[in-house]
Amino acid sequence: GAVVSQHPSWVICKSGTSVKIECRSLDFQATTMFWYRQFPKQSLMLMATSNEGSKATYEQGVEKDKFLINHASLTLSTLTVTSAHPEDSSFYICSAHGQGPNQPQHFGDGTRLSIL
Amino acid sequence: AQSVAQPEDQVNVAEGNPLTVKCTYSVSGNPYLFWYVQYPNRGLQFLLKYITGDNLVKGSYGFEAEFNKSQTSFHLKKPSALVSDSALYFCAVRDDGTGGFKTIFGAGTRLFVKA
Repeated sequence: GAVVSQHPSWVICKSGTSVKIECRSLDFQATTMFWYRQFPKQSLMLMATSNEGSKATYEQGVEKDKFLINHASLTLSTLTVTSAHPEDSSFYICSAHGQGPNQPQHFGDGTRLSIL
Repeated sequence: AQSVAQPEDQVNVAEGNPLTVKCTYSVSGNPYLFWYVQYPNRGLQFLLKYITGDNLVKGSYGFEAEFNKSQTSFHLKKPSALVSDSALYFCAVRDDGTGGFKTIFGAGTRLFVKA
């Protein structure tokens, strides 16, 4: 069964609204979670690394005020796209890291965000 | 800096034939290498990993990959392809010398298996 649950799977909203995406680790405690953005026919672009109890680490070029990340517990990280615009439309995927650096990442099923 | 390359955007193979999806990497320390598969509108699923030990790694769904240190490659293979193997495959690398968990993904290779 799925070890990482991502919700919602699909969201359509008007330009200017904010959208929150949740990522939960179901079977384990995830001290580190990652948020990716995937453009059509392209690879995963790491947006930020979310660490439980501390501020997220954003990749170069990613707007911190635009993409708010909260990792308040060992099983939940949230990504909020603030004041979303059509160019923010994309497929967003979260992943949670198992214990230890040699463990694979477990991915959520992704969220398709469409901004009208 | 670490990097990973998947030189083929697309691989076409007939069902029942062997398949290979190529991956090369660059790291400063010892590599942790991974293969993931992605089906349409879904997240990635873990297939296999190389950390240390035997160079031939076996994973899910009959896939295997061979770690070649001299060629810095980690090609994904399967002896007999199935139509259901058609998907997008990502190679990923993590450098154990840098600390942390940052993983770099290749651009992906789309596999088409024809019946």
